[in-house]
Amino acid sequence: SQQGEEDPQALSIQEGENATMNCSYKTSINNLQWYRQNSGRGLVHLILIRSNEREKHSGRLRVTLDTSKKSSSLLITASRAADTASYFCATDGSGGTASKLTFGTGTRLQVTL
Amino acid sequence: DTEVTQTPKHLVMGMTNKKSLKCEQHMGHRAMYWYKQKAKKPPELMFVYSYEKLSINESVPSRFSPECPNSSLLNLHLHALQPEDSALYLCASSQWFGAGQGYSSYNEQFFGPGTRLTVL
Repeated sequence: SQQGEEDPQALSIQEGENATMNCSYKTSINNLQWYRQNSGRGLVHLILIRSNEREKHSGRLRVTLDTSKKSSSLLITASRAADTASYFCATDGSGGTASKLTFGTGTRLQVTL
Repeated sequence: DTEVTQTPKHLVMGMTNKKSLKCEQHMGHRAMYWYKQKAKKPPELMFVYSYEKLSINESVPSRFSPECPNSSLLNLHLHALQPEDSALYLCASSQWFGAGQGYSSYNEQFFGPGTRLTVL
């Protein structure tokens, strides 16, 4: 299975702190994406990083990708209570199945005041 | 309009019932997806439609029957479900670049809010 593993499974921090989540995957990819899901709701796309990119920023988000280690990290800086959610990495297989995403196991982030 | 809508929000059905889940998008996306998500688990892909044709079926039991009547609509027909089918069913859509597009592939998916299904 392509499914990625994420760690930690759960993370609890205080508002203003940074949160780092890690994702590892198994096979070659075209790109890796990160999604957020508020409890019981649909997923929201956060950021996409291509296999030839090493780092990408979007607002308070910083994503890194190391294809040699088959791993990625998502950093949320200066976290807010509204960042409380589950975060999933998702990979698409290279070589023709570009539309099929496989999601990682997810990290549940709790940001407290 | 960057929204994917799903109806109903909640559905309770018995094992002998027939029901349908509906999904709609008006972003001009030609790929649409059904996912199943159990509590505290990641979404699992069920079906992919591209240009209104079924392109991926992830070995889903036949009691789930997808339908794509046009480029904006996606249905999931349910019949003779089991209690273990209770889950959040998510619809998504994206642009489609097809096979062999290499670095030009771009498939950010837009998700609907989901239908919470309970099978009694």
